[in-house]
Amino acid sequence: DVQMTQSLSYLAASPGESVSISCKASKSISNYLAWYQQKPGEAYKLLIYSGSTLQSGTPSRFSGSGSGTDFTLTIRSLEPEDFGLYYCQQYYEKPLTFGSGTKLEIK
Amino acid sequence: EVQLVESGGGLVQPGRSLKLSCAASGFTFSNYYMAWVRQAPKKGLEWVATISTSGSRTYYPDSVKGRFTISRDNAKSSLYLQMNSLKSEDTATYYCARHNNYWYFDFWGPGTMVTVSS
Repeated sequence: DVQMTQSLSYLAASPGESVSISCKASKSISNYLAWYQQKPGEAYKLLIYSGSTLQSGTPSRFSGSGSGTDFTLTIRSLEPEDFGLYYCQQYYEKPLTFGSGTKLEIK
Repeated sequence: EVQLVESGGGLVQPGRSLKLSCAASGFTFSNYYMAWVRQAPKKGLEWVATISTSGSRTYYPDSVKGRFTISRDNAKSSLYLQMNSLKSEDTATYYCARHNNYWYFDFWGPGTMVTVSS
């Protein structure tokens, strides 16, 4: 199985700052990577797929980069609504696997 | 607007069965692969099952293969997950999710909680 590692389980930042969340695959997954956001009381939301393609409705302050084994989700100029949980997921092969999540909190 | 609403969760004893349902609306259900994903308390996400548009193909990770069965009724725009021989480690919130053209999930339901305990 492809193991997905999000090294930071917790990240604190202030509105207006920029942050990066990393995700590392145990083997090359090309660009078959998606990023999701969950906010309390809300359904999971797809932010980015194919490593860097923004899903319709995802604000442009979000960006994704990387291919192979190393990926990054960057959020420029944090807004209050950006705080929550972020997960990466590989879909290069089955079983589909997720990272352990990064909780982004307000500093 | 795409909507996925799960139901059927609850408290069940180890070894027993439970069937979850997901009502879909706002899109042509029969055109999409569908899936179940779960999240144990304080844990990460785990893919549980996927079903093809017609229901002829199903996919599972080893952790649930042989115990869980995913199915669908396209006429009712509904997705199901039959869970047998439940274990305490199956305790989780179960999410219904829609696959896009690839194997990521572009819409999720709010989830239904399943607790396996005596």
